[in-house]
Amino acid sequence: QQQVKQSPQSLIVQKGGISIINCAYENTAFDYFPWYQQFPGKGPALLIAIRPDVSEKKEGRFTISFNKSAKQFSLHIMDSQPGDSATYFCAASKGSWGKLQFGAGTQVVVTP
Amino acid sequence: GAVVSQHPSWVICKSGTSVKIECRSLDFQATTMFWYRQFPKQSLMLMATSNEGSKATYEQGVEKDKFLINHASLTLSTLTVTSAHPEDSSFYICSAVRDRAYEQYFGPGTRLTVT
Repeated sequence: QQQVKQSPQSLIVQKGGISIINCAYENTAFDYFPWYQQFPGKGPALLIAIRPDVSEKKEGRFTISFNKSAKQFSLHIMDSQPGDSATYFCAASKGSWGKLQFGAGTQVVVTP
Repeated sequence: GAVVSQHPSWVICKSGTSVKIECRSLDFQATTMFWYRQFPKQSLMLMATSNEGSKATYEQGVEKDKFLINHASLTLSTLTVTSAHPEDSSFYICSAVRDRAYEQYFGPGTRLTVT
């Protein structure tokens, strides 16, 4: 069974809008939550990651919000641009060198 | 920093032959590397964990005799698909982890087509 559940499956947002992708996990032992961006035919690129000791992390236009009690975390893409059109994967792992458990992915399309 | 390369980027082979895919960490040492496969419009599926100097650990359902993994050095891991069949056609991606770190950095992937 999938240990990390991701929604929505796809998302269309206008240029300048906010894209929000949500993930939920069950295993409370997870202590690392990264987000990856993948373009067609390419490998995933690490976008931003968070540890459970903080509730929010921001890097440029990308923000992770983390709710430990609800076992949920989300990615917010502010001022979305057409170049942000890609598939985004959330993931979770336990410990350093831990195996990543991936969500199913969200295809984001930013319209001009 | 944290660049991972894969070679080849794409390969076509005939059914029954073997194909080797290389994964290199270019600017850091990686004690641990992972191998994934990805089908179109699907998530990444972990195949195995590769540790330098020891045998790979395979995920349930992955045939270790079919997908041979060798982590020969701190910067190189190889995946050999033996006796390839059309159902092995997929996008294979590796990732590497720095020592005692959490971040996994992925390679650009290898598209394998078996005819």
